[in-house]
Amino acid sequence: AQTVTQSQPEMSVQEAETVTLSCTYDTSENNYYLFWYKQPPSRQMILVIRQEAYKQQNATENRFSVNFQKAAKSFSLKISDSQLGDTAMYFCAFMKLPTLGRLYFGRGTQLTVWP
Amino acid sequence: DVKVTQSSRYLVKRTGEKVFLECVQDMDHENMFWYRQDPGLGLRLIYFSYDVKMKEKGDIPEGYSVSREKKERFSLILESASTNQTSMYLCASSLLDAEAFFGQGTRLTVV
Repeated sequence: AQTVTQSQPEMSVQEAETVTLSCTYDTSENNYYLFWYKQPPSRQMILVIRQEAYKQQNATENRFSVNFQKAAKSFSLKISDSQLGDTAMYFCAFMKLPTLGRLYFGRGTQLTVWP
Repeated sequence: DVKVTQSSRYLVKRTGEKVFLECVQDMDHENMFWYRQDPGLGLRLIYFSYDVKMKEKGDIPEGYSVSREKKERFSLILESASTNQTSMYLCASSLLDAEAFFGQGTRLTVV
């Protein structure tokens, strides 16, 4: 079974600053994807970033980047130049390959960006 | 853009009622999912389907059933609603080996 752990239930950061959200996972699989999803107050889950386990290069999407440490089974999300609109619940998720697409989620980190 | 639409954003039902939550996706995705979201517990998989009329139990299927008669539609059924099924329900769809796209969620309250 796969487990995903987010050890920070809540975090806060000032606008324009940088924040890092932590995620660790446990699996015996070698091929998998990792994701960060964002859920703002509107409740719409939005994909932030995806990392393929076979890729050594860390994924980047504009102000969002990850630090993927496969041996340590760690997958943190860094948000640079934080904006008020980044306030949301962030979920780390794991998907093994090949797969029917089911995701294993962490419990989430509530991020608040304040002015 | 992929669109996953859930029939209701808010729903209030009485204990013992049979409840239907509907989900429709417009991108011809093979896979569809129902997750339950509770504070402090993250998202937990109830059921998923990888083809029409095919279904698999997730981690918390007790008290629920599902129906997938057409590829685009996946229904979650609470046979006899109970107060411990008060929760947020999220539907998602995906292609094989690809990320999931989510609906806007249904907040169900059972009284």
